[in-house]
Amino acid sequence: DAGVIQSPRHEVTEMGQEVTLRCKPISGHNSLFWYRQTMMRGLELLIYFNNNVPIDDSGMPEDRFSAKMPNASFSTLKIQPSEPRDSAVYFCASSLYSTSGTAGNEQYFGPGTRLTVT
Amino acid sequence: KQEVTQIPAALSVPEGENLVLNCSFTDSAIYNLQWFRQDPGKGLTSLLLIQSSQREQTSGRLNASLDKSSGRSTLYIAASQPGDSATYLCAVRSRGAQKLVFGQGTRLTINP
Repeated sequence: DAGVIQSPRHEVTEMGQEVTLRCKPISGHNSLFWYRQTMMRGLELLIYFNNNVPIDDSGMPEDRFSAKMPNASFSTLKIQPSEPRDSAVYFCASSLYSTSGTAGNEQYFGPGTRLTVT
Repeated sequence: KQEVTQIPAALSVPEGENLVLNCSFTDSAIYNLQWFRQDPGKGLTSLLLIQSSQREQTSGRLNASLDKSSGRSTLYIAASQPGDSATYLCAVRSRGAQKLVFGQGTRLTINP
């Protein structure tokens, strides 16, 4: 199993530019999560999807941020326009969601994308 | 609102010692609790997941316990090794929610 795949691993861009981060979840997983990690705020959930449908986007900081999941094997997080305060590591995670109470629902994280906005 | 706290923020011990990392959470209505390891500049590796109905989970030299009523979990590392040096994160999934709420982590250094 390749695990969760994220690209690019590093992104350096200038303020005002559009940034698109990509994620491929583990095959068979039906939930996908986008997190952001900063020194000041730690790890925070931005948005998550169940079966490709956005469920909770309350963590998305501003309208400049948008996320899509067009199919079960691909998701994007877009920032337009980017600002220096968006500099952080962005993680994608996936899990097999079950309401039965017996499944682990363990989340598996990708390696992250380190974004620097100058 | 669920809040997760990890104490201490940093810990340095000599190789071979047994140690305990602490995690506390404010809302005991949880679904599960997950311990992760994060190496510098890397992603998160899941170490152990404890369901709310469980009291502990073990994997090799790692043992995680859960006391839901008191809002506490501990990660016990036996016979520590320099390779155990990393940041350890505790994350809680509350009932009725899917998202994980993370603590700020404990940065562990094992000195040879």
